[in-house]
Amino acid sequence: TQLLEQSPQFLSIQEGENLTVYCNSSSVFSSLQWYRQEPGEGPVLLVTVVTGGEVKKLKRLTFQFGDARKDSSLHITAAQPGDTGLYLCAGWNSGGSNYKLTFGKGTLLTVNP
Amino acid sequence: DAGVIQSPRHEVTEMGQEVTLRCKPISGHDYLFWYRQTMMRGLELLIYFNNNVPIDDSGMPEDRFSAKMPNASFSTLKIQPSEPRDSAVYFCASTHRGSTYEQYFGPGTRLTVT
Repeated sequence: TQLLEQSPQFLSIQEGENLTVYCNSSSVFSSLQWYRQEPGEGPVLLVTVVTGGEVKKLKRLTFQFGDARKDSSLHITAAQPGDTGLYLCAGWNSGGSNYKLTFGKGTLLTVNP
Repeated sequence: DAGVIQSPRHEVTEMGQEVTLRCKPISGHDYLFWYRQTMMRGLELLIYFNNNVPIDDSGMPEDRFSAKMPNASFSTLKIQPSEPRDSAVYFCASTHRGSTYEQYFGPGTRLTVT
C-alpha cells in the first residue's frame, strides 16, 4: 500500500508570513497533485507535477517535485487569509486504465489577518 | 457547465436505517470515484468506475456498503444498515481519459448516523 505523509498536520500563521508544507512517501509516483479544500466544499486541483525535480509556480505558490519522485513541497510566499484551507497532496501511478489517486491526510492552514 | 452534483448535501439518520447518496458526474467524464473523508483517516477511496463498470472496490469497508452506476450520468452509494462509525463526508468525483488525471469533486454529502 502506497502512503503519503503530509507535514505539518496543522499550521496557523499571520498574514504576510511565508510557509512550506511537505508531502513524503517511500514509494515512487508517476505524478503528484496538490489540491486545496475549503470548508463545506470538495477539493480543487491547484497543480500537477510530473517530472522529477520539476518546479511550478502559481502566483505566490511554488510547488516542487522531488528528484526521486517520492516527495513534494508547497511553498507560499506572503500568505493571505484567502489561502486558508486544507492542502492535500495526491499521488498517481501509471498502469493500464488505473486512474486511482492516493491522498495524504492534508495540512490545515489558517492565515490570520 | 455544471460541476459534479451530489445529493443530499446533509443527511441525518438513525443507526440501522438505509442511506442512499447520489451523484451526477460531469457530462463526458468516463471515470467516477466515491470517497469518504474523516478527520482520523483523511480522504479514502471507496470505489471507482470506468464507463459505468466498477474497476476497484477494495476500499469499500464491508458488505453494508454498495455502489452502482446504472448509466453515465448517475451513481449511487448505499449503506444498509448504517452505523454511527459511518458518519463522515462522502465525496463523488469524476474525470476523463486524456485529462491530466485531475479529479473534479462534488460538494460532498455530510452523513451523520445517530
